[in-house]
Amino acid sequence: SSELTQDPAVSVALGQTVRITCQGDSLRSYYASWYQQKPGQAPVLVIYGKNNRPSGIPDRFSGSSSGNTASLTITGAQAEDEADYYCNSRDSSGIRVFGGGTKLTVL
Amino acid sequence: EVQLVQSGAEVKKPGESLKISCKGSGYSFTSYWIGWVRQMPGKGLEWMGIIYPGDSDTRYSPSFQGQVTISADKSISTAYLQWSSLKASDTAMYYCVRLGYSGYDYDAFDIWGQGTMVTVSS
Repeated sequence: SSELTQDPAVSVALGQTVRITCQGDSLRSYYASWYQQKPGQAPVLVIYGKNNRPSGIPDRFSGSSSGNTASLTITGAQAEDEADYYCNSRDSSGIRVFGGGTKLTVL
Repeated sequence: EVQLVQSGAEVKKPGESLKISCKGSGYSFTSYWIGWVRQMPGKGLEWMGIIYPGDSDTRYSPSFQGQVTISADKSISTAYLQWSSLKASDTAMYYCVRLGYSGYDYDAFDIWGQGTMVTVSS
């Protein structure tokens, strides 16, 4: 199965824009989904498909994809966005894989 | 309310067997794939495998193939993850997830269980 690579840590100033990236060969064929996990909590889906947000996810979260790279963008980061973020995708045989995760710090 | 409710925390010894559960409610259990995700202490998410309760079609991550068994009982809307012989390295939080969004070039896990902590220690 394909691997997905994420930067281990990213920081952003309060109110600024941050992009979290995910690289992998499977992303050339399948869109990534993105999950937010806060300490002691189960992950929550924030973006799926081309750029879809589940109900209840703020519109400051958006997704994009180009070639082998998927990106999660937070426009106007808030303190409550500080969390770990994981990408996930699949291959043609239905095998899924998570990226290693990115720890987002809001300064 | 759509939800997945998992069984409670477990403390086991190396070599013991274990089966944890995940009960779906509020939706048609047989119409959505259910997956399992491992999170070792302080580490990231790892996708283990997935099952379609409607026909028990199951796929495993190569990393977990042969190490665990995923099953489902559609009569009681419950999926299972089991081990025949636990190791200390199986100590982790285990989440069940519903594959709620699916298209030809995307899918996503929209509902997560609360997690089941499994501790394996002598």
